[in-house]
Amino acid sequence: DAKTTQPNSMESNEEEPVHLPCNHSTISGTDYIHWYRQLPSQGPEYVIHGLTSNVNNRMASLAIAEDRKSSTLILHRATLRDAAVYYCILSNNQGGKLIFGQGTELSVKP
Amino acid sequence: GAVVSQHPSWVICKSGTSVKIECRSLDFQATTMFWYRQFPKQSLMLMATSNEGSKATYEQGVEKDKFLINHASLTLSTLTVTSAHPEDSSFYICSAILGFGTWGYTFGSGTRLTVV
Repeated sequence: DAKTTQPNSMESNEEEPVHLPCNHSTISGTDYIHWYRQLPSQGPEYVIHGLTSNVNNRMASLAIAEDRKSSTLILHRATLRDAAVYYCILSNNQGGKLIFGQGTELSVKP
Repeated sequence: GAVVSQHPSWVICKSGTSVKIECRSLDFQATTMFWYRQFPKQSLMLMATSNEGSKATYEQGVEKDKFLINHASLTLSTLTVTSAHPEDSSFYICSAILGFGTWGYTFGSGTRLTVV
């Protein structure tokens, strides 16, 4: 499985945008980039995913580098409820297992 | 949206006893489910892949005789921790694929197991 690298932790102020980076230099052509987040004592929840083009949904935006070796999850206005561990995961979308890396622990200050 | 219900949310058991954790897909059929374990301040570690009607596939280092997985129907997978010991205390999470070839993975809310 292709590996992803994320910073261990990041801080943000409430109401400000947050850019969470992810490096995936060994990504293959069929790998989708998935982002999940895990709030304390809960199971992970889906945030967003993409293949080549940038993606937007009600939760976040995903910016994918042209060479696909990195991506950035963008939370446009961080809230206290966005404090969580964010995981960037590669998957070929063929029903295979998801392998979690260490993720980025995001803290949001009021 | 698709929901996976995990039960119980927390359980305390004595050393040497067995504990069963259930994972149900509420509004879709899940031919494949996954079981993860998570220790404090660590990431999720995949334990096994559960396929309906067949034997589970365990990840390297996971004892299949200790962590029994049964996926007897399209909506239910169970994980039984047999002869539990304090080191088995952990947060167990199940996940299901929404359908082959789709991107959707949905997760249960987790089960906190404490073995005393």
